[in-house]
Amino acid sequence: GAVVSQHPSWVICKSGTSVKIECRSLDFQATTMFWYRQFPKQSLMLMATSNEGSKATYEQGVEKDKFLINHASLTLSTLTVTSAHPEDSSFYICSASVGLSHHEQFFGPGTRLTVL
Amino acid sequence: QKEVEQNSGPLSVPEGAIASLNCTYSDRGSQSFFWYRQYSGKSPELIMFIYSNGDKEDGRFTAQLNKASQYVSLLIRDSQPSDSATYLCAVNDGGYQKVTFGTGTKLQVIP
Repeated sequence: GAVVSQHPSWVICKSGTSVKIECRSLDFQATTMFWYRQFPKQSLMLMATSNEGSKATYEQGVEKDKFLINHASLTLSTLTVTSAHPEDSSFYICSASVGLSHHEQFFGPGTRLTVL
Repeated sequence: QKEVEQNSGPLSVPEGAIASLNCTYSDRGSQSFFWYRQYSGKSPELIMFIYSNGDKEDGRFTAQLNKASQYVSLLIRDSQPSDSATYLCAVNDGGYQKVTFGTGTKLQVIP
């Protein structure tokens, strides 16, 4: 149980284009989904938290107009990187929480984005 | 600001030994504590969580929590080379679902 999928697993795009990443909880309904970014040899950095049907809460320093998050259902959240630049190249990972009392998060396999 | 601290390592142990990973946290109101394993180039995988003082065992893994001293540890018995990874400690304050992650400890199990 508690399987989270992400698509695509990797993407290469040109500078200035937009990229959409999907995160799905496959066998449970996720009350909350999280988006993280991880640069090589660094720890996870939380970008935003999203709850189904409401606006995402972004962490300080994360541009909400650049990283658009939509949480349309209890099993799907999307992250769109708009007008991507080479510095946006990173490993993007989503996680989902069932909302149980201890708030454990289950991670998707991640999406490796390379912006040329 | 809530902080979760871990020694970055690498922590090297011989195969078959016990690996001990430690984590301290700053928020005394923290309620739930998690250990994740992350292999290089992969996403984190939940190993176990603990919320009560004392020990919690799951197979070769034992999590230990001491809220008075604000530390949580993970013991890995009979360490295997496949245990070589970065171990992330994460802490939740019991309110909002967000957790705070440590920077991780890299474990190397030497055959």
